[in-house]
Amino acid sequence: TQLLEQSPQFLSIQEGENLTVYCNSSSVFSSLQWYRQEPGEGPVLLVTVVTGGEVKKLKRLTFQFGDARKDSSLHITAAQPGDTGLYLCAGGVPTDSWGKLQFGAGTQVVVTP
Amino acid sequence: DAGVTQSPTHLIKTRGQQVTLRCSPKSGHDTVSWYQQALGQGPQFIFQYYEEEERQRGNFPDRFSGHQFPNYSSELNVNALLLGDSALYLCASSSGGQTGEAFFGQGTRLTVV
Repeated sequence: TQLLEQSPQFLSIQEGENLTVYCNSSSVFSSLQWYRQEPGEGPVLLVTVVTGGEVKKLKRLTFQFGDARKDSSLHITAAQPGDTGLYLCAGGVPTDSWGKLQFGAGTQVVVTP
Repeated sequence: DAGVTQSPTHLIKTRGQQVTLRCSPKSGHDTVSWYQQALGQGPQFIFQYYEEEERQRGNFPDRFSGHQFPNYSSELNVNALLLGDSALYLCASSSGGQTGEAFFGQGTRLTVV
């Protein structure tokens, strides 16, 4: 059972366009991570957010953690083909501080030149 | 600084056989978690090892077992393989701290035939 619901499941856009990926849950998380995964590779950590309402920017990527720490979004500005990949959100369970993560099913992003 | 390394990268086994996967955590990390990722899904937590003991476990049968060595490296063993065990097996390391932030290896692609 996926506690984290990601939407959309698939997104195909042209280079230069903007996109937003959402990660929602009815549960509160102590932290939330975003990863990007290439085919046949392990997920690569992009960012960790821990405070409700927190916004973090990583070049053209903007991450936001919801005020209630139940949801998050990832916004990419002026997408490039190198942004293509599976974007995964993962939440840290509040009752468990030892690093167990609950993952969403992921959003497959394809950016075409 | 070496990241998380896993071996082998690919493996083909027959139903009923046993398999052992290996993981070396990132330097400075003492906690190893194992995840199973089926095609088109997010990673699912199998178990976590800290101080050579299984600290917590996900919803996986006893056929899945593991071990952590004094140098923090870890093994995942799966007995009596089923076709449904075919997946990408990911190892993640963390510092046993409170953020839940984890760094992943490239994974082992297990195919059961």
